[in-house]
Amino acid sequence: AQKVTQAQTEISVVEKEDVTLDCVYETRDTTYYLFWYKQPPSGELVFLIRRNSFDEQNEISGRYSWNFQKSTSSFNFTITASQVVDSAVYFCALRSAGGTSYGKLTFGQGTILTVHP
Amino acid sequence: DTEVTQTPKHLVMGMTNKKSLKCEQHMGHRAMYWYKQKAKKPPELMFVYSYEKLSINESVPSRFSPECPNSSLLNLHLHALQPEDSALYLCASSQVGTVSYNEQFFGPGTRLTVL
Repeated sequence: AQKVTQAQTEISVVEKEDVTLDCVYETRDTTYYLFWYKQPPSGELVFLIRRNSFDEQNEISGRYSWNFQKSTSSFNFTITASQVVDSAVYFCALRSAGGTSYGKLTFGQGTILTVHP
Repeated sequence: DTEVTQTPKHLVMGMTNKKSLKCEQHMGHRAMYWYKQKAKKPPELMFVYSYEKLSINESVPSRFSPECPNSSLLNLHLHALQPEDSALYLCASSQVGTVSYNEQFFGPGTRLTVL
């Protein structure tokens, strides 16, 4: 069975602080995919990034960066110089590569990030 | 255009009503999904359609009836719902093909209240 754990239920920071959202996953699959989604108060889940299990290269996109470590089964997400607009619920998700290509996403419980001005 | 649209945005219905939720995408995706999300919880998969055929039903009660009229449209027909069915209903779509890590793109959701 697959499992995704986001240990931080809620995080509160002041604008311009850096913040890291943790994600730890469990899977027996050798090939799998990891995702981060952002859900602002409006409700829509916004796709942020996909990482393949065979590619451990870290990625930076503007103020966002992701650290994938297969050895510790972690896929952490860092926001640098946070802004009020970053306030949202962030979900980490896992999907196996086997079976159909529209496989089920296993979501973590989500981390509520609040950035105060 | 990476947009998935959903109508209505909000819906209030009684337990005896029949209503429908609609979802539309024009990204050429051939897989479409319905999710249910309760407050402060992650989305829960309900149904998956692939090439307009139902491929996954996560043991959803029959009062929820999905329909995929064509590759761009996905409906969810609601009948005799219970108050506990009140939730945010999200639609998503993705590619289907040899590339198996297809990310799902979500719509803004329909916030359903059952009285």
